[in-house]
Amino acid sequence: AQRVTQPEKLLSVFKGAPVELKCNYSYSGSPELFWYVQYSRQRLQLLLRHISRESIKGFTADLNKGETSFHLKKPFAQEEDSAMYYCALQTGANNLFFGTGTRLTVIP
Amino acid sequence: DVKVTQSSRYLVKRTGEKVFLECVQDMDHENMFWYRQDPGLGLRLIYFSYDVKMKEKGDIPEGYSVSREKKERFSLILESASTNQTSMYLCASSTDRGTEAFFGQGTRLTVV
Repeated sequence: AQRVTQPEKLLSVFKGAPVELKCNYSYSGSPELFWYVQYSRQRLQLLLRHISRESIKGFTADLNKGETSFHLKKPFAQEEDSAMYYCALQTGANNLFFGTGTRLTVIP
Repeated sequence: DVKVTQSSRYLVKRTGEKVFLECVQDMDHENMFWYRQDPGLGLRLIYFSYDVKMKEKGDIPEGYSVSREKKERFSLILESASTNQTSMYLCASSTDRGTEAFFGQGTRLTVV
């Protein structure tokens, strides 16, 4: 069975400090990994996906199959990054499973 | 440009009532999902549908059923609402593997 683990429920960093939100997964097949974000009073939306290997709003995430991880990183946190972040795994059958989420607070 | 629409933002129902949550998408997506979102528990998948009349159970299907008679509409049914089903319910849709899932605005259901 598939599983997505986000070990930190809450994470606080100062503005300008680096940020790393951790995500580990377990899945027997070849997964598609995503990061979704939910800003206050907004819908859940896609931040980035591993397949596109892009940087969005300064965030990057690298899929490490050896460590089964997909950590989200940003070198310099901004106040507008404060939000709820979810790591998600898509199975071969297109089903989509989420982790428990990490609430990031960027302190001015 | 709203793409996934849930019929209600807020809903209050009594214990034992049959509850219908409706979700409509206008993107011709094959896949549709129902989740519940609870603090500390994240998004938990209730049901997934990959085509009309096709469904798969997610992690927490007990007490719920779904209906997908048309491609654009995916309904979540609480057969007999209970207080532990008080939650935020999110609907989503997607197309091919590796593509973005689009979410509705959520329905906050309170069962009293």
